[in-house]
Amino acid sequence: GAVVSQHPSWVICKSGTSVKIECRSLDFQATTMFWYRQFPKQSLMLMATSNEGSKATYEQGVEKDKFLINHASLTLSTLTVTSAHPEDSSFYICSARRASLAGDYEQYFGPGTRLTVT
Amino acid sequence: AQSVAQPEDQVNVAEGNPLTVKCTYSVSGNPYLFWYVQYPNRGLQFLLKYITGDNLVKGSYGFEAEFNKSQTSFHLKKPSALVSDSALYFCAVRPRNSGNTPLVFGKGTRLSVIA
Repeated sequence: GAVVSQHPSWVICKSGTSVKIECRSLDFQATTMFWYRQFPKQSLMLMATSNEGSKATYEQGVEKDKFLINHASLTLSTLTVTSAHPEDSSFYICSARRASLAGDYEQYFGPGTRLTVT
Repeated sequence: AQSVAQPEDQVNVAEGNPLTVKCTYSVSGNPYLFWYVQYPNRGLQFLLKYITGDNLVKGSYGFEAEFNKSQTSFHLKKPSALVSDSALYFCAVRPRNSGNTPLVFGKGTRLSVIA
């Protein structure tokens, strides 16, 4: 259990176009999902926290108008990179939060999406 | 603010030798501590976590980690390294009872196991 999927796994787009990445929790409901970005050979940097039915909370320095996040249901969050530029090329990883039996919660990670903007 | 330090960018070890990947943390209270592994162009795979109890935590693929509260460390260890263990390893931390607070990751340590 606790599987998180991402689609697509990789995408190539031209500068100026928009790309949508989907993150799904396949076998549990996730009221909260997180979006991370990873540059080559670097750590995961949190971009935003996505809450079902409300606006996402963005980390400092992340442009909310460029990285649109929509958490429309308890199993789906989407990240749309608008007017993409080559510097947006990166590995994007989502994570879904699931409540644990201990009363806390666990984070489960998707396999990542490799975005290349040409 | 919480933070995680992985002091080594790269660790090289010969196959069959023990390996250690270091991690220290800074967070208020008693945190949850995690180790994840990432293979090229893949997402994160969970290895193990410390919640409470025994300071030595055993995880997947023969890995273990030791929680040391006085040194605020959570080093990852394996008695005998395999070439297939070569990957990028991340230590992560999260405060207890932290609501929506997500995991905070160290910068990662690349492990290279040489045959």
